Amino acid sequence: GAVVSQHPSWVICKSGTSVKIECRSLDFQATTMFWYRQFPKQSLMLMATSNEGSKATYEQGVEKDKFLINHASLTLSTLTVTSAHPEDSSFYICSARDGQGPAGGQPQHFGDGTRLSIL
Amino acid sequence: SQQGEEDPQALSIQEGENATMNCSYKTSINNLQWYRQNSGRGLVHLILIRSNEREKHSGRLRVTLDTSKKSSSLLITASRAADTASYFCALRNQAGTALIFGKGTTLSVSS
Repeated sequence: GAVVSQHPSWVICKSGTSVKIECRSLDFQATTMFWYRQFPKQSLMLMATSNEGSKATYEQGVEKDKFLINHASLTLSTLTVTSAHPEDSSFYICSARDGQGPAGGQPQHFGDGTRLSIL
Repeated sequence: SQQGEEDPQALSIQEGENATMNCSYKTSINNLQWYRQNSGRGLVHLILIRSNEREKHSGRLRVTLDTSKKSSSLLITASRAADTASYFCALRNQAGTALIFGKGTTLSVSS
């Protein structure tokens, strides 16, 4: 159980394009989803916390207008990288927490990530 | 900062040997989690240890927690080539919502 599906797994596009990444919880309801960014051989950097039906909470230094997050349902959150540039190339990983119970004692379930390459 | 720091950064061992990696942190915690990441993939939850626990086992994994020293260790016994991955400790952020990850230990197990 507790499967998170992330799509696409890999995308290459031209500079200036907007790219949408989807994150779905397949067998549980996720009131909260998280978006991370990871550079090669680095740790995961939390970008934002996405709450179903409300605005996302962005970490310091993350541009809200650049990285648009929508969490319209209990099983789907999307991250749109707007007007992407080569420096936005990275590995983006979503994560979701089962909506039941307190946050503290639960693991987060991760998607397999999206490798974004902007030419 | 809620971020844990893993040590060593990289570890290379032979199959059958044990691998130990450590995580140190600075804040008080309710629990600490360990995750594994295969190259180019998402993270897989390995084990969660609560602040009132000192040791926890799961298969070939053993996790210890010393809250007085603010440190945790992950031991993988009888390692296999398939254990080759990066291992991260994770703590909750200040809001208690998201997990914050350390830089990880990259484990290479050769056959």
